[in-house]
Amino acid sequence: DAKTTQPNSMESNEEEPVHLPCNHSTISGTDYIHWYRQLPSQGPEYVIHGLTSNVNNRMASLAIAEDRKSSTLILHRATLRDAAVYYCILRDYNNAGNMLTFGGGTRLMVKP
Amino acid sequence: DTGVSQDPRHKITKRGQNVTFRCDPISEHNRLYWYRQTLGQGPEFLTYFQNEAQLEKSRLLSDRFSAERPKGSFSTLEIQRTEQGDSAMYLCASSPGDRGLGSYEQYFGPGTRLTVT
Repeated sequence: DAKTTQPNSMESNEEEPVHLPCNHSTISGTDYIHWYRQLPSQGPEYVIHGLTSNVNNRMASLAIAEDRKSSTLILHRATLRDAAVYYCILRDYNNAGNMLTFGGGTRLMVKP
Repeated sequence: DTGVSQDPRHKITKRGQNVTFRCDPISEHNRLYWYRQTLGQGPEFLTYFQNEAQLEKSRLLSDRFSAERPKGSFSTLEIQRTEQGDSAMYLCASSPGDRGLGSYEQYFGPGTRLTVT
C-alpha cells in the first residue's frame, strides 16, 4: 500500500472544529482513503473512507483534494471523547487481502 | 450484534511458556485478521483468514506463532516458547468481505495484552 504522512500530534479546544491532515502523494487510482481512530486502551475504530469525492457521516467529514494527494479528516465539534490517535490509511481496491497498514498516526489532544 | 470479542483481555506469562488467545468475530463476517501493537506504534498485520482458510501471513509471524480458524467462526492465536519481545497488544478484527474489495471497514476487538516476564 502507498504511504501516508501525518503530523505526530495536534491539539484542539473542546467544541471547536478539528482538521486532521494527511499527505499521500504516491496514491494510486485504485487506493481508497480510510481513517481509523484508536481511543486509549481500545482497539482501532473505523471513522470514514472515500475514493474521490468528499464524504460525510455521523462521526466526521472527509475532504479529499482534487489531485487526491492529500486529504483532511474534519471533526466538526471536538469533544473530550475524541481524544485519540487518528490513522490515515490507503487501501488498494485490488488488494485481495485488504489488511490495514497503519503508520504512526496523529495523536489528538482535546483541551476543555 | 455484540461486536468482536477477545479473550483473555490480559495475560501475564513467563518466558518459555505457551499462550493461546481467542477471537470471536462479528457473526457472518467471513474475514478475520490478527494484528500486533507495541507501545507507541500503530498495529502491524500478522495474518488473515477468509472463512477457515488462512490466506496470508506476515513475515512478523515467526514459526512460534500459529493461528487457526476452524469452521470459519472463532479464531485462536497461539504463541509457543514466548519471548520478552512478544509482549504486545494482540488485536483481532473482522469484516464482511463481500463488498468492493477496497472499501469495507474492519471492526476491531478490544485486544489481548500480553506481558512476558
